[in-house]
Amino acid sequence: GENVEQHPSTLSVQEGDSAVIKCTYSDSASNYFPWYKQELGKRPQLIIDIRSNVGEKKDQRIAVTLNKTAKHFSLHITETQPEDSAVYFCAASISNQGGKLIFGQGTELSVKP
Amino acid sequence: GAVVSQHPSRVICKSGTSVKIECRSLDFQATTMFWYRQFPKQSLMLMATSNEGSKATYEQGVEKDKFLINHASLTLSTLTVTSAHPEDSSFYICSAREDRADYNEQFFGPGTRLTVL
Repeated sequence: GENVEQHPSTLSVQEGDSAVIKCTYSDSASNYFPWYKQELGKRPQLIIDIRSNVGEKKDQRIAVTLNKTAKHFSLHITETQPEDSAVYFCAASISNQGGKLIFGQGTELSVKP
Repeated sequence: GAVVSQHPSRVICKSGTSVKIECRSLDFQATTMFWYRQFPKQSLMLMATSNEGSKATYEQGVEKDKFLINHASLTLSTLTVTSAHPEDSSFYICSAREDRADYNEQFFGPGTRLTVL
């Protein structure tokens, strides 16, 4: 089955710097890749997603890139702010397998003012 | 739109008792819902896929007789943790896919914190 690896597990940046989180997946049939932000004790919040027919997507300070050949995708946050501090999860999904999400291990991002 | 609720938000029970958690899609139909478990400082682990009108599909290693799933309507799935033990203490989160959507986005419930004494 699908396996998603996420790095790094922790990331500390200064306010205003960029943060990059990387994920790799194993199943080439995966075609949907969302990123979630989760604050302590809360539900995961979708921040951006990308489908396999697109190589890059951007939404203000957040961007995601996808390399299908290498089977990896990355989250880029620019101009980080203290409120960006949270745990971020990547996930992969295969639409013809019911759309179940397989999550990466998570990255705890800390943005220092 | 696309709101998913969960009830209860928090439950404390004695070892050996059963606990039922409800997951509802409030403003859309969801033939497919998912149940995840999250231990402290860990990722979300998919437990099972809940299908309206049919049996749930469990992930490898998840005991179907311990975690009973019932998806009796297009807006409600329930997870019953039977004979709960302290090791079942965790954060249980459900999600739902909108039937009419042609993509895989899932909408998550707020989660249920289960503590087994």
